[in-house]
Amino acid sequence: NAGVTQTPKFRVLKTGQSMTLLCAQDMNHEYMYWYRQDPGMGLRLIHYSVGEGTTAKGEVPDGYNVSRLKKQNFLLGLESAAPSQTSVYFCASSYPTTEYEQYFGPGTRLTVT
Amino acid sequence: ELKVEQNPLFLSMQEGKNYTIYCNYSTTSDRLYWYRQDPGKSLESLFVLLSNGAVKQEGRLMASLDTKARLSTLHITAAVHDLSATYFCAVEFGNEKLTFGTGTRLTIIP
Repeated sequence: NAGVTQTPKFRVLKTGQSMTLLCAQDMNHEYMYWYRQDPGMGLRLIHYSVGEGTTAKGEVPDGYNVSRLKKQNFLLGLESAAPSQTSVYFCASSYPTTEYEQYFGPGTRLTVT
Repeated sequence: ELKVEQNPLFLSMQEGKNYTIYCNYSTTSDRLYWYRQDPGKSLESLFVLLSNGAVKQEGRLMASLDTKARLSTLHITAAVHDLSATYFCAVEFGNEKLTFGTGTRLTIIP
C-alpha cells in the first residue's frame, strides 16, 4: 500500500514552459486535492475532485488546470509557468466518511526561473 | 470569509516545559484537524476532532475543540526535542474542503 504518491519530486522550469504533475493513490479514495505551500502562508487549495470525471476550483486556481480521468489519478497542469508558481505542491486524498481525513503525498518542489 | 488563525506563529520553548498552540476559526464547523510537518517533509495527521468538547491525546500532545468559541488548542506537555516541527490546524467548513492555518513553527531547546 503506497498511499499517495507524487511525480516528479523536483522540477525546474523556465518561464512559459508547461508541465504536468501526477498524483496517484491506491486507497480507493473518492476525493482528491491539489494544494500549494508557500513560506508563511500554510497550504492553499488549488483544485479538487469529488469523484472520477469531476473537478472544481479551490482558493487559488488561476494558471492551473486539472483532470481526473481515473479514480486513482489526479493531474495538475501548468500551461505557461510563471515565477509566481514557484512553490511546493502537495496532493491529498480522502474518503467521505465521518472523519473525512485527508492523506497527503510527499510533495513536489517546483522552481520557475 | 473562511479564516483560520493560529497563534503563536513561532514558538521556542525549553525541554520539559508546557505550552499551548491556539487555533481560531471564523464560522461554524464541526470538523477540525491537526497536522504535523517536519522540514522538507509532507503533512502527518495528528488528530481529528469532530464535536464540541472533543479531546484527544497522543503521547505529550493533547488537542481539544470548543465549537461554541470556534477555538481548538494543541497542548504540549513536558516538551522534548522530537516535537520540534511545524503544526497546522485545518478546518472543514461543510464544503468538503479544508482551510488551513498558517502554521506554528515549534522549536524545542535543550
